Amino acid sequence: GQNIDQPTEMTATEGAIVQINCTYQTSGFNGLFWYQQHAGEAPTFLSYNVLDGLEEKGRFSSFLSRSKGYSYLLLKELQMKDSASYLCAGHAGNNRKLIWGLGTSLAVNP
Amino acid sequence: DGGITQSPKYLFRKEGQNVTLSCEQNLNHDAMYWYRQDPGQGLRLIYYSQIVNDFQKGDIAEGYSVSREKKESFPLTVTSAQKNPTAFYLCASRGGLAGGRGEQFFGPGTRLTVL
Repeated sequence: GQNIDQPTEMTATEGAIVQINCTYQTSGFNGLFWYQQHAGEAPTFLSYNVLDGLEEKGRFSSFLSRSKGYSYLLLKELQMKDSASYLCAGHAGNNRKLIWGLGTSLAVNP
Repeated sequence: DGGITQSPKYLFRKEGQNVTLSCEQNLNHDAMYWYRQDPGQGLRLIYYSQIVNDFQKGDIAEGYSVSREKKESFPLTVTSAQKNPTAFYLCASRGGLAGGRGEQFFGPGTRLTVL
């Protein structure tokens, strides 16, 4: 089967670091995406991993382990504006569709 | 500026009426997608199109219809057969996979409320 799992909710403090995990089972895996979605708005692209390892982009980094079917999104120096839902998505076998997780709702508190 | 537009942002319809949601992109993308999102839920694929004049059903196509007569446009019709149409509808497009990530770009969404 094809499935993506991530925690439903997380809470963190402004200025701290938070790690959002994602595990996946997709046939013909070919890359994993992270998107950010603020309430009432469209998702926006954050990162893409196809090879094992860490991809760093400013305050946000994303990690992938293909052998373990595992990824995480790391957010550093949290700001209030980082309060949003974070969606993990993987390519289906033929790359035509994405399999989406349900999203992790992150609340950043002062 | 290149992007995806959806109109209107908010739409109200009476039960039993068909309604068509607009999606236009000027990114020159071949692939386009329609998703539905309910409160606290992830994205569920309704229909997708890889090329003009061709489209495939997604996971929840019942009660919906689409057309792809032009590369730039992928309208979605919510028919009276859709039993629970009130939701946030998102349109997305994707460029070619060769040499690229193949990420999907989203329009701002249309929030449909059926009264």
